[in-house]
Amino acid sequence: GQSLEQPSEVTAVEGAIVQINCTYQTSGFYGLSWYQQHDGGAPTFLSYNALDGLEETGRFSSFLSRSDSYGYLLLQELQMKDSASYFCAVDQAGTALIFGKGTTLSVSS
Amino acid sequence: DTGVSQDPRHKITKRGQNVTFRCDPISEHNRLYWYRQTLGQGPEFLTYFQNEAQLEKSRLLSDRFSAERPKGSFSTLEIQRTEQGDSAMYLCASSPGDLAFFGQGTRLTVV
Repeated sequence: GQSLEQPSEVTAVEGAIVQINCTYQTSGFYGLSWYQQHDGGAPTFLSYNALDGLEETGRFSSFLSRSDSYGYLLLQELQMKDSASYFCAVDQAGTALIFGKGTTLSVSS
Repeated sequence: DTGVSQDPRHKITKRGQNVTFRCDPISEHNRLYWYRQTLGQGPEFLTYFQNEAQLEKSRLLSDRFSAERPKGSFSTLEIQRTEQGDSAMYLCASSPGDLAFFGQGTRLTVV
């Protein structure tokens, strides 16, 4: 079967840097993506890694190591509006996009 | 608005009734997903379409659930004989391949 593991909660202060890790077990792996979801809202796409290495998009970066079945989302210069749930998701070859259970990030002033 | 739209946004139904939800994906996207999400959990995969073909259905999905995507455009998700455990947010997403765009969801409450 497939599974994704990520921490359930992370707390940080404004301006800090936080890293949310994701480990996965799956077959037919194509890539790892990250989504943000605010309370009451829909998940929105943040980043996607198909190859090993770091992808940078503004304050957010995502990393993938296929050999370690591991990735992380790095959030820099945290702002209060970054308080949300963050999900990693595995794109399996020709099949479903499978999500982790999510990490709740709380940013305080 | 050219995003993914879902209808209705909210549905309250009595236990045992049937409900149907609609999803209109982004028009050029060939993949369409249905997910269920409960409080504090990630989106749980229900089913997946590539154009009009239903390619995968979760083993967790009982036979009370059925989904269609006629002509590879909009999709419907029907739940028959609803149970209180079906109360959740039902999310639809469409994808051109690598990433998914979600609708705002349909919140189902079974009373």
